Amino acid sequence: QQQVRQSPQSLTVWEGETAILNCSYEDSTFNYFPWYQQFPGEGPALLISIRSVSDKKEDGRFTIFFNKREKKLSLHITDSQPGDSATYFCAAKASSGSWQLIFGSGTQLTVMP
Amino acid sequence: NSKVIQTPRYLVKGQGQKAKMRCIPEKGHPVVFWYQQNKNNEFKFLINFQNQEVLQQIDMTEKRFSAECPSNSPCSLEIQSSEAGDSALYLCASSQGPNSDYTFGSGTRLLVI
Repeated sequence: QQQVRQSPQSLTVWEGETAILNCSYEDSTFNYFPWYQQFPGEGPALLISIRSVSDKKEDGRFTIFFNKREKKLSLHITDSQPGDSATYFCAAKASSGSWQLIFGSGTQLTVMP
Repeated sequence: NSKVIQTPRYLVKGQGQKAKMRCIPEKGHPVVFWYQQNKNNEFKFLINFQNQEVLQQIDMTEKRFSAECPSNSPCSLEIQSSEAGDSALYLCASSQGPNSDYTFGSGTRLLVI
């Protein structure tokens, strides 16, 4: 049972376009949602995160939009650059009772120059 | 440039051999996690510690896997008798606490042949 789902599995955009990566979850106790960026051969690096009390979080070219009612969130990468080509993971965690981050299966983003 | 240091980067073992990997958490982070990331990008939580004490662990960890986080020494994860299915990227992460971000290391890639 996949508690955190990501789509699409892979995404290709041109340099300068906005890439939109989607994530949905099932557990209504989840209230912390980090997005990680992972390059081949490296560990995941925290990109941006949001808590369920907010519906939007922005950091430079990266923005998370969060819809608590629909249990959906999305990561928007504006002005995409070839260096953004990586796999992006959405993760989720409940506020209490568990320390575990639950990861989605990732979206592989390719930005064409 | 991860602040969580994992060694070695690569580990090759024969089936039945022991495999040991180490992790130095980010300074000031008392909570340490171990995750396994397989070739399908699926993350599996293994175990986590707060200071030297185990907080949570999965059944798999209780059987062939052992882990510890001694004071003033690196944390370690050891597989007592490696199996081909253990081939994966083993990721260590650290955190200040349950409501703080998690920082991942670059991982140890284990290949069991």
